[in-house]
Amino acid sequence: EVQLVESGGGLVQPGGSLRISCAASGFTVWNNYLTWVRQPPGKGLEWVSLIYSAGSTYYAESVKGRFTISRDNSKNTVYLQMNSLRSEDTAVYYCARDKGGERSGWYYWGQGTLVTVSS
Amino acid sequence: DVVMTQSPLSLPVTLGQPASISCRSSQSLVFSDGNTYLNWFQQRPGQSPRRLIYQVSNRDSGVPDRFSGSGSGTDFTLKISRVEAEDVGVYYCMQGTHWPWTFGQGTKVEIK
Repeated sequence: EVQLVESGGGLVQPGGSLRISCAASGFTVWNNYLTWVRQPPGKGLEWVSLIYSAGSTYYAESVKGRFTISRDNSKNTVYLQMNSLRSEDTAVYYCARDKGGERSGWYYWGQGTLVTVSS
Repeated sequence: DVVMTQSPLSLPVTLGQPASISCRSSQSLVFSDGNTYLNWFQQRPGQSPRRLIYQVSNRDSGVPDRFSGSGSGTDFTLKISRVEAEDVGVYYCMQGTHWPWTFGQGTKVEIK
């Protein structure tokens, strides 16, 4: 059974850094593409970043240069390193995986981890 | 970026009655491979999103057949034939044709 479990969220000051994790089970991260999608409190969904099986990475313009997605195949985990955090980065961050192709959205979702950027 | 516009943003419905959500894209969602990558997600209160429909009209496993998707080009529709209490939540369309992938603003379905 495919499972995604996010962790590492919390309260961080503006300008600070945080790394959140997505532990996968039921499949291997190295041969799948995984994505991060976020949702500010009470608002809609926004795609943030993705990592392909070949290792290439992509970012939304709003986080490019500040966020870095990576993976540890030995731990079957994907990470999102977030630097220079801003109040507008406050959101629940979901890890998600496709089923049926990269362009068909994401079938598997984690429960999310809340990141709060505030002084 | 492709802008996805949903309407209405709020949809009060009576149990057992049909509901319809519109999603329009600022560009055609027909990809070079001939497929149209318009997907629908449901987010129940307090839960993670759930994919309901992919590529316009393909229902995911476990999704009740009262949900259906249709449309082409830039105009798409999600229909619920008879709304049940468990359908309460926010529905999002999302396009996977043009980079970056983008979502609609969401339509909140509630029971009258």
